[in-house]
Amino acid sequence: AQSVTQLGSHVSVSEGALVLLRCNYSSSVPPYLFWYVQYPNQGLQLLLKYTTGATLVKGINGFEAEFKKSETSFHLTKPSAHMSDAAEYFCAVSDGGSYIPTFGRGTSLIVHP
Amino acid sequence: NAGVTQTPKFQVLKTGQSMTLQCAQDMNHEYMSWYRQDPGMGLRLIHYSVGAGITDQGEVPNGYNVSRSTTEDFPLRLLSAAPSQTSVYFCASSTIQGRNSPLHFGNGTRLTVT
Repeated sequence: AQSVTQLGSHVSVSEGALVLLRCNYSSSVPPYLFWYVQYPNQGLQLLLKYTTGATLVKGINGFEAEFKKSETSFHLTKPSAHMSDAAEYFCAVSDGGSYIPTFGRGTSLIVHP
Repeated sequence: NAGVTQTPKFQVLKTGQSMTLQCAQDMNHEYMSWYRQDPGMGLRLIHYSVGAGITDQGEVPNGYNVSRSTTEDFPLRLLSAAPSQTSVYFCASSTIQGRNSPLHFGNGTRLTVT
């Protein structure tokens, strides 16, 4: 069974600073990887998804994620945080045998002025 | 361009009452699912369906029933509400034509059971 670990339930950064949200997964087969964002009082929406063969995936709002197979990681980054980036971020993984994703527990991004 | 629509947005129930949370999607998605979101617990899958007439249990199915009579609708029923079912509930759908198809979420139903 696959699992997803998001290190840090809360990450705090200053506006303009680098954002790094960590995601590690365990999967016995090549995974399908996703990052979702949840703004307050809203549902989750897709930020980006891994495409087979790519190592760097670009998403919306300036976010990127790097796939590292050797480290089984799919960390999310953004060079410069905006106040509007404050939200909950979820990493999710599914393998080739199921279309039901496994979600991490989420990381709350706090952006200070 | 409705996507996934959930009703109601808020609901307060007394212990023992029953209710149905509605979910409808207009994207012709085969897969539909229900999650509950609780602080520190992330998203937990309650029930899911891969097409009309087909449903299955997720991680936390106890106390909830579902049915899928049409492709568009996937209601979640609480037969006898308990305080432990106080949570935010999300419906999500996707196509199953590709394994990397993302989920589309509704905006949630916030349920309080007193």
